[in-house]
Amino acid sequence: ELKVEQNPLFLSMQEGKNYTIYCNYSTTSDRLYWYRQDPGKSLESLFVLLSNGAVKQEGRLMASLDTKARLSTLHITAAVHDLSATYFCAVEGYNTDKLIFGTGTRLQVFP
Amino acid sequence: DARVTQTPRHKVTEMGQEVTMRCQPILGHNTVFWYRQTMMQGLELLAYFRNRAPLDDSGMPKDRFSAEMPDATLATLKIQPSEPRDSAVYFCASGSSLKEQFFGPGTRLTVL
Repeated sequence: ELKVEQNPLFLSMQEGKNYTIYCNYSTTSDRLYWYRQDPGKSLESLFVLLSNGAVKQEGRLMASLDTKARLSTLHITAAVHDLSATYFCAVEGYNTDKLIFGTGTRLQVFP
Repeated sequence: DARVTQTPRHKVTEMGQEVTMRCQPILGHNTVFWYRQTMMQGLELLAYFRNRAPLDDSGMPKDRFSAEMPDATLATLKIQPSEPRDSAVYFCASGSSLKEQFFGPGTRLTVL
């Protein structure tokens, strides 16, 4: 059974600092997705990583995928308050349309 | 601007009442997913369809929940009878062969 773990679960960081959120998964998968959820809102797709070594960047966020290590990272550069949200990674299951979601990382950026 | 739409956005009902939630997937998408999100359990997959056929409903309490896709533009999730523990936000998402899922705004359900 595919399991997806994120850490940390909670992250409080100061504006301007850098940090990384980690997403580990338990079985082979070549595709991984990152979503953002603001409080009381829906999930918004951030990145789609489709192969080993894939790297995507959007503004202060950069996501990467290492399928051999079964690890994805979401790196935050020079955090700003607008990045405060919950971030989910999701892994595509084998031979299925389903995505298995991690528990989410709640990020709070303070001045 | 292609989006998944859901109705109603909010629903307050009393225990024992029937609740029906509706979802219109993005035109051209062939997979539809129903999720439930709570603080305690996080995001749970309830059921999903491909080309309107139900493929997996193992996450759904079958004695009270049912999911259908009467046509390609409408998916429904019904709870009968509803219970307080069903209080949650229910999301619908749709996807295509590319597997990326696009989420609707959700239905916030409160069962008193």
